[in-house]
Amino acid sequence: DAGITQSPRHKVTETGTPVTLRCHQTENHRYMYWYRQDPGHGLRLIHYSYGVKDTDKGEVSDGYSVSRSKTEDFLLTLESATSSQTSVYFCAISGETEAFFGQGTRLTVV
Amino acid sequence: GQNIDQPTEMTATEGAIVQINCTYQTSGFNGLFWYQQHAGEAPTFLSYNVLDGLEEKGRFSSFLSRSKGYSYLLLKELQMKDSASYLCAVSWAAGNKLTFGGGTRVLVKP
Repeated sequence: DAGITQSPRHKVTETGTPVTLRCHQTENHRYMYWYRQDPGHGLRLIHYSYGVKDTDKGEVSDGYSVSRSKTEDFLLTLESATSSQTSVYFCAISGETEAFFGQGTRLTVV
Repeated sequence: GQNIDQPTEMTATEGAIVQINCTYQTSGFNGLFWYQQHAGEAPTFLSYNVLDGLEEKGRFSSFLSRSKGYSYLLLKELQMKDSASYLCAVSWAAGNKLTFGGGTRVLVKP
């Protein structure tokens, strides 16, 4: 299995609090992605990175920010969590011909 | 922009063959991925196509036609464990942006 780890795996947080999810890779892949997956919507891209300090928005980026200060770590921050951000979050890493997913983080905002 | 379409659901019999189609419209196409996702789990990588033609990998094969914006995943000798969702994803743009279709749920019946 590809070396990609998400933390935490599960989190319950209150509305209005900031939350940071971490994605860590040991594959030295250039590209990293954050997705959310909700019933009826499939995987939707939040933000992605094409190198250290190089990031761009996906289709559902409002309310989220990211940072990538080193190759192996890609952080997703919910600035002020809302109930609509309750979801399963997946991180993915990609080389030129393959892309692998982390185990996912189940986030509940109450 | 991009638009990726695949059927929502398909049903097939154990031992049979099923073909899952994916059509896409995107700019700056780099390649196309297929994933399998069992309920409650992360997507797992199946194949990557960058050139036109058929790529065979055991019971699974994937085909790409870039001029038609079309791909299919062929599952042969279906087994009960193949019941899952199958996700088509397109890599596009200079930053290797990775966008997914809604997924096709395949149900294999005895």
